[in-house]
Parts: sequence; structure tokens; C-alpha cells
Amino acid sequence: AAGVIQSPRHLIKEKRETATLKCYPIPRHDTVYWYQQGPGQDPQFLISFYEKMQSDKGSIPDRFSAQQFSDYHSELNMSSLELGDSALYFCASAGGAGDTQYFGPGTRLTVL
Amino acid sequence: QKEVEQNSGPLSVPEGAIASLNCTYSDRGSQSFFWYRQYSGKSPELIMFIYSNGDKEDGRFTAQLNKASQYVSLLIRDSQPSDSATYLCAVKKGSQGNLIFGKGTKLSVKP
Repeated sequence: AAGVIQSPRHLIKEKRETATLKCYPIPRHDTVYWYQQGPGQDPQFLISFYEKMQSDKGSIPDRFSAQQFSDYHSELNMSSLELGDSALYFCASAGGAGDTQYFGPGTRLTVL
Repeated sequence: QKEVEQNSGPLSVPEGAIASLNCTYSDRGSQSFFWYRQYSGKSPELIMFIYSNGDKEDGRFTAQLNKASQYVSLLIRDSQPSDSATYLCAVKKGSQGNLIFGKGTKLSVKP
């Protein structure tokens, strides 16, 4: 069965640079969630989209923004990167808002 | 107090034994509960979800929910070394469904 696709899988950036992470949900899933997981931490909810509209917002810094496109893929844009942004970033998709979430493989972001 | 609490472990059990993982949550209005397994450096993988009080069984896994006690557990029967991972308990927040995770319990199954 098709799963959630995330790209890139690994990303290395310098401080103050920008990064764009992409997420392609499971086919026919219309809801996307973004989570950040720091080393040794649990995943923290950042932001979610349902039917291309932002549905909820968590602990997402103002330096980050995201959107969901007409084909339901989502992009997380991160600017003015800081060392503390180094983490695994997971995208999860669901068949509807509140439905069971399935996680992608994640993007490992390293900020030097 | 964190919204979802788990014993961080490590929990060590011998191969073939039952592993019991526990989780408590603070929001009495929570309706949906999930167990994810996460290997180091990998993404969370859904093991089970449970909505109703009582037990739910799927193969070697049994989830138990007690809403009155705000307690969720996961039992793994006939534990295998491949079950060694961090188990994350998650509670769905609100109607939009973002998950609140516990810090996870690290399980080690010794051959």
C-alpha cells in the first residue's frame, strides 16, 4: 500500500538559511499534520491542514510557515534557521480531520 | 504536568514474556487513544488505537482503556527481540485530531 512520502530525507543547512520540506500524503487522504521531534523527545505538533485550509496550529515558530496545495501535498517552509531547529520532521496524513494518522519516514534536518 | 505521561523505562523483559506498557492522560474529555512503535531514527508506526472502555486485541497486542481512571495500557504477548523499540502513547486533541504524545517507554526484549 502507498505510504506517506517526505522529501528530502536528509537536509543540512547553515544557521540563518532557509529550508523547505515536502510531504505527499497517502492517496485520497485530505488531511496533513506536521510534527517536530528533537533528540530524545516525543513528537511535537506544529500545524495541520484539512482540505487545503489550515485546521490547527501548535508550537510552530513564527519563522516557519506551511501550506497545503491543490493536490493535497504540503510544504513546510523554515526561515532564519537556528541550531535548535535540528530535529526529525514528520508529516502524517489522515483520511479526514480526526482520522487515524499515518506517519511518513521523516526528514532529518541538521543546522550547523 | 504533561498531558500524557509514560514511564520512560527502559523496560526489560525476556523473550516470550508479556510486556506491559502504561500511559495516563490528564484531559478527561479525550476520546481516542493510540499506541505507536518507534525504532531509533525511524518514524512512529501505528500499533493500535482504542476508543471504548475495555480491551481491544490484535494479534499479540492488547490495548486496554479505562476512561474513569484516565489510563491506557498496551500488552505485548510472547515478546520478541524485534519488539525492542520505544512505544509512544498518544491522545487525540480536539476535533481536528492532532496528537499529543507521551515521552515514550523504551522496551528491551532480551533473547
